[in-house]
Amino acid sequence: DTAVSQTPKYLVTQMGNDKSIKCEQNLGHDTMYWYKQDSKKFLKIMFSYNNKELIINETVPNRFSPKSPDKAHLNLHINSLELGDSAVYFCASSQQGPAEAFFGQGTRLTVV
Amino acid sequence: KQEVTQIPAALSVPEGENLVLNCSFTDSAIYNLQWFRQDPGKGLTSLLLIQSSQREQTSGRLNASLDKSSGRSTLYIAASQPGDSATYLCAVPDSGGGADGLTFGKGTHLIIQP
Repeated sequence: DTAVSQTPKYLVTQMGNDKSIKCEQNLGHDTMYWYKQDSKKFLKIMFSYNNKELIINETVPNRFSPKSPDKAHLNLHINSLELGDSAVYFCASSQQGPAEAFFGQGTRLTVV
Repeated sequence: KQEVTQIPAALSVPEGENLVLNCSFTDSAIYNLQWFRQDPGKGLTSLLLIQSSQREQTSGRLNASLDKSSGRSTLYIAASQPGDSATYLCAVPDSGGGADGLTFGKGTHLIIQP
């Protein structure tokens, strides 16, 4: 069973569209995260959610909004997509506190 | 704010060699340090997690060490194989609590020549 799974794996869309990426973890972890890996392969934290509460938001545009229907899911909604949003987005999870983090396989978003 | 640096950025060695990848961080008040592997077009695979109280951690041919006081970690790969070719990333929690996510280095792109 995949521990952290995200869908879709690839997403191609036009500028201005609204899209969502889904993430689910079956590890029973308390905290979930979204990371962005840019064209230079640099990974940076976007959001983390702990017990349905947003912990941080690292200067991410408000067009990005995480939604957590329950502890096992953290979806990423993106409004009014821009060319610069093209990247690979990774979902991750960990137990509460500084525990080992597990990552999904990533979603490659291409905005045209 | 925590910054993580990895040296070298790229490394190409013949199969069978032992090699060391370096990671340094600016804030030594870390709870742990994690090494990941990323294959092209794939996600991140956790290799080793070293707690701040540990000096080293081993898994198979991999050995990671941690020196908190100097802000350094090394990943030692013994008897390298072509299948070890990947990008290796080190990361530390962004704050003491860990819920703020990880700060990553830019990675070492490793190529093992057959």
